[in-house]
Amino acid sequence: AQKITQTQPGMFVQEKEAVTLDCTYDTSDPSYGLFWYKQPSSGEMIFLIYQGSYDQQNATEGRYSLNFQKARKSANLVISASQLGDSAMYFCAMREGVSGYALNFGKGTSLLVTP
Amino acid sequence: EPEVTQTPSHQVTQMGQEVILRCVPISNHLYFYWYRQILGQKVEFLVSFYNNEISEKSEIFDDQFSVERPDGSNFTLKIRSTKLEDSAMYFCASHGLAGDSYEQYFGPGTRLTVT
Repeated sequence: AQKITQTQPGMFVQEKEAVTLDCTYDTSDPSYGLFWYKQPSSGEMIFLIYQGSYDQQNATEGRYSLNFQKARKSANLVISASQLGDSAMYFCAMREGVSGYALNFGKGTSLLVTP
Repeated sequence: EPEVTQTPSHQVTQMGQEVILRCVPISNHLYFYWYRQILGQKVEFLVSFYNNEISEKSEIFDDQFSVERPDGSNFTLKIRSTKLEDSAMYFCASHGLAGDSYEQYFGPGTRLTVT
């Protein structure tokens, strides 16, 4: 079974608009962490934002925020004021427990920002 | 800003040959990882390494793979006898213990092409 599900293979957004990229996860471990990474066409993996399972507040990093809904097991990434440079693949990932730190990635969402 | 480096950026090898992919993690980091990404697919965990030994590995990481930290700075992934299906981008990642997030810093990747 998929641990991380990203249901949107591709998304379009106009410059300066906000966009939400969906991510749902599956775990029975009470301690886990959720990550979002950006992969531009050049291929590198860029860390964007992190949410811990015990965090009371939604994480924010500049134009990125994470809409964490624990009961629904969703961790959607919200990008505000999209820029052309935001065009990239976006991956949601999860680590489970406190002893294993390996990241389990979703299949990704390709975001295209249009002028 | 410190970064993870990987060499070479691109490696072409013939099926059956041995390859060694090299990584220099961030100097004060303690946990090291290899991931791979087959073209157009999601990032997959291979192995994690801590305190000079493998701490976790996936089913992909079979006897053809090995990892080593030969000195205080390098972290290598060896594939003994490459197969066509080993063609992928291989990412090295590392992290220290930065609070609770365990954010993994990824290197730029090595693109391995097996012919």
